[in-house]
Amino acid sequence: EAQVTQNPRYLITVTGKKLTVTCSQNMNHEYMSWYRQDPGLGLRQIYYSMNVEVTDKGDVPEGYKVSRKEKRNFPLILESPSPNQTSLYFCASSLGGTGLAGAWNTQYFGPGTRLTVL
Amino acid sequence: GQQVMQIPQYQHVQEGEDFTTYCNSSTTLSNIQWYKQRPGGHPVFLIQLVKSGEVKKQKRLTFQFGEAKKNSSLHITATQTTDVGTYFCAGYNAGNMLTFGGGTRLMVKP
Repeated sequence: EAQVTQNPRYLITVTGKKLTVTCSQNMNHEYMSWYRQDPGLGLRQIYYSMNVEVTDKGDVPEGYKVSRKEKRNFPLILESPSPNQTSLYFCASSLGGTGLAGAWNTQYFGPGTRLTVL
Repeated sequence: GQQVMQIPQYQHVQEGEDFTTYCNSSTTLSNIQWYKQRPGGHPVFLIQLVKSGEVKKQKRLTFQFGEAKKNSSLHITATQTTDVGTYFCAGYNAGNMLTFGGGTRLMVKP
């Protein structure tokens, strides 16, 4: 089954304790991205990756790191989490990632990771 | 940077009433996408509009892309309880960053 998986689905942690949220897709997609969702603010892009070893900042990259060593995986790293990073996080992937026409930039979202930083 | 605004933020309707959400971008978009997120779920792609003035229909849902490619709307005719959720628009400008609107949360009273 074609899907995007995220782990963990729920995480409660404390300020300053490094954590990684994993994201994996089995659709051979080129483009992967991370979003955070907060009430009233919609989905805001944190980082995106056009391909292996290529990553770019989105709207809200501060406090986050990513890596794209393999095509299928795109982990999100919080080196020193703070309470303002408490949020619902979604990983997404698509065939491509430009504004060109076509279904290749349709985003497929993972189930989400609810993170609480105390 | 690019901003995408959606109104209203919330909408309560009686089952059978129509519903419309509006999306406005601060910049011209190359295309616009619409997603639906059910309560507790993740966003799911509904449709993409590419051409200026384009109108697409999916059963009771009608999507429009403005002539200037800076605004869009989603209209649902005769809402049902299965339409409950949050509807997001999202647009690319000239680059590779996808910007989402804040979403419109639709609640339907049976």
